[in-house]
Amino acid sequence: DARVTQTPRHKVTEMGQEVTMRCQPILGHNTVFWYRQTMMQGLELLAYFRNRAPLDDSGMPKDRFSAEMPDATLATLKIQPSEPRDSAVYFCASGFHTSGGANTGELFFGEGSRLTVL
Amino acid sequence: AQSVSQHNHHVILSEAASLELGCNYSYGGTVNLFWYVQYPGQHLQLLLKYFSGDPLVKGIKGFEAEFIKSKFSFNLRKPSVQWSDTAEYFCAVNAAGATNKLIFGTGTLLAVQP
Repeated sequence: DARVTQTPRHKVTEMGQEVTMRCQPILGHNTVFWYRQTMMQGLELLAYFRNRAPLDDSGMPKDRFSAEMPDATLATLKIQPSEPRDSAVYFCASGFHTSGGANTGELFFGEGSRLTVL
Repeated sequence: AQSVSQHNHHVILSEAASLELGCNYSYGGTVNLFWYVQYPGQHLQLLLKYFSGDPLVKGIKGFEAEFIKSKFSFNLRKPSVQWSDTAEYFCAVNAAGATNKLIFGTGTLLAVQP
């Protein structure tokens, strides 16, 4: 049963600490997305990758957030230093997209990483 | 830029009542449309999707949605809700063929009372 796997599921940390969240996309998917979910803002797109290349990270605070794909099976989202306002659930999603093809664009979501920054 | 509006933020219904959740999108080109559901404490799961063909699409658990192009709408319906439908529902859109980046609406929290 293919699924997106995220770690950690829960993280409580103190302000100023570094936080790294990891995501293993579904094998064969070539696009990976990071979304942040909060009560106030709903689901915000932070960054996305296609074929491991970052295509759009305009939704991400650049001074403290960074997203990478070291290889096709791992995507990371790092926050350094973390702040209380970063508390949220961070979802990773993956999908498959081909240029010029009939893409339906469906994304598959992981179970999320719930981050609490004290 | 694409955007999605969900007009109802909170909906409370009794079991067996009919449901309709509104969704409007803003985009000038061809779109793919989705409804995702998030049960309490869980991740988003696809409920149904539209990308071409019959504008009335049927999804899992008795849900359906109708794409009305002239109204830029993709409303979600269910004739008779159950307590287990209590969840948050998200409408989403992407630009067909160009990207699979999904833009989400703010979500509608549905509470079904037994």
